[in-house]
Amino acid sequence: GQQVMQIPQYQHVQEGEDFTTYCNSSTTLSNIQWYKQRPGGHPVFLIQLVKSGEVKKQKRLTFQFGEAKKNSSLHITATQTTDVGTYFCAAFTGNQFYFGTGTSLTVIP
Amino acid sequence: EAQVTQNPRYLITVTGKKLTVTCSQNMNHEYMSWYRQDPGLGLRQIYYSMNVEVTDKGDVPEGYKVSRKEKRNFPLILESPSPNQTSLYFCASTGGRGGTQYFGPGTRLTVL
Repeated sequence: GQQVMQIPQYQHVQEGEDFTTYCNSSTTLSNIQWYKQRPGGHPVFLIQLVKSGEVKKQKRLTFQFGEAKKNSSLHITATQTTDVGTYFCAAFTGNQFYFGTGTSLTVIP
Repeated sequence: EAQVTQNPRYLITVTGKKLTVTCSQNMNHEYMSWYRQDPGLGLRQIYYSMNVEVTDKGDVPEGYKVSRKEKRNFPLILESPSPNQTSLYFCASTGGRGGTQYFGPGTRLTVL
């Protein structure tokens, strides 16, 4: 089935540093979604990207969808302790959702 | 308030003892899913349902059953649980095909 690869698996940053997680697919995606899961919580939808080359911003978070619609990234500027959690990308294809393995972000105060 | 509820939140059981995890949504969504989450593997879709009486296998359906007799409910059934089904389970409801997924709070299942 569809595979969505996500790197890195873990990232530790000092508070105030930037953070980026990357999502890659071997096939063209119709869209890509991003979710955040706080420790002990459930995934919460952040955003959906649909268009080739699309860039969307939510405060300190910047989401990009690649020109070929095979990759995506989430960049957080100047991380805060509230950014702690696991970030997942997800693709919908063939009536199914496929999640990346997630990037666990630790922010050191 | 729009929400997805799951019960129970925690369950410890023994091998072979049938169990059901309930899931209910109040958003009138057609598409619902069950996922299991395991360390290093992310979320894997077990089963999904595109509408009432329509269910399909996801990536890891072995050992699980589902039913969708009414739009709001999508129970997950483990007829004969085994230790390799110890995991964190999430139900999700989706507004529109491929749209935003709303997740339940999760059910942590331990099979001894």
